[in-house]
Amino acid sequence: AQSVTQLDSQVPVFEEAPVELRCNYSSSVSVYLFWYVQYPNQGLQLLLKYLSGSTLVKGINGFEAEFNKSQTSFHLRKPSVHISDTAEYFCAVSEFDGGATNKLIFGTGTLLAVQP
Amino acid sequence: EAGVVQSPRYKIIEKKQPVAFWCNPISGHNTLYWYRQNLGQGPELLIRYENEEAVDDSQLPKDRFSAERLKGVDSTLKIQPAELGDSAVYLCASSLDIGQGAGELFFGEGSRLTVL
Repeated sequence: AQSVTQLDSQVPVFEEAPVELRCNYSSSVSVYLFWYVQYPNQGLQLLLKYLSGSTLVKGINGFEAEFNKSQTSFHLRKPSVHISDTAEYFCAVSEFDGGATNKLIFGTGTLLAVQP
Repeated sequence: EAGVVQSPRYKIIEKKQPVAFWCNPISGHNTLYWYRQNLGQGPELLIRYENEEAVDDSQLPKDRFSAERLKGVDSTLKIQPAELGDSAVYLCASSLDIGQGAGELFFGEGSRLTVL
């Protein structure tokens, strides 16, 4: 069965500093990978996704992530964060086994806390 | 274009009372999902619909939870009777058919349930 691990429950960082949010997954078949962001009292919003092709994917708000199949990782990065990036970030995976399942399995989330 | 609409946003009830949540997906999205998000956790799938058909309800506690999507558009999730452990945010999401933007779910703002 597939699973997603986000080891860091909270990541404090100063404004304009770089940040990396870690995500590892396990699956016996090919996967699609996603990062969603959840601002306080709001629903989840897609940040970026990896379906195929280039392993480096760029998303909204200056975020990017790199798919590493050998390490089964999909870490999220941003070179310079803003106060407005403070939110909960969720990594998610869906399996592709002959056909996409569209069943997303989410990690437990990482709270990015940007400090001035 | 309107997003996924959920109501109510907040609901406080006493245990053993019934409660219902309503969701209207994005127009043209045939797939609808109900997720439950406990405090400090990632969303967990309760049920997934393809049009009117519930194609994955393996995680739905069927003794007290029920859902319907009669005309393949809006959906209702019901809990009867509610228990203290049901306190959570109930998220509705919708997506295009599998293969058309696989895995990109669009979420509503959620319905926060507090059971006293």
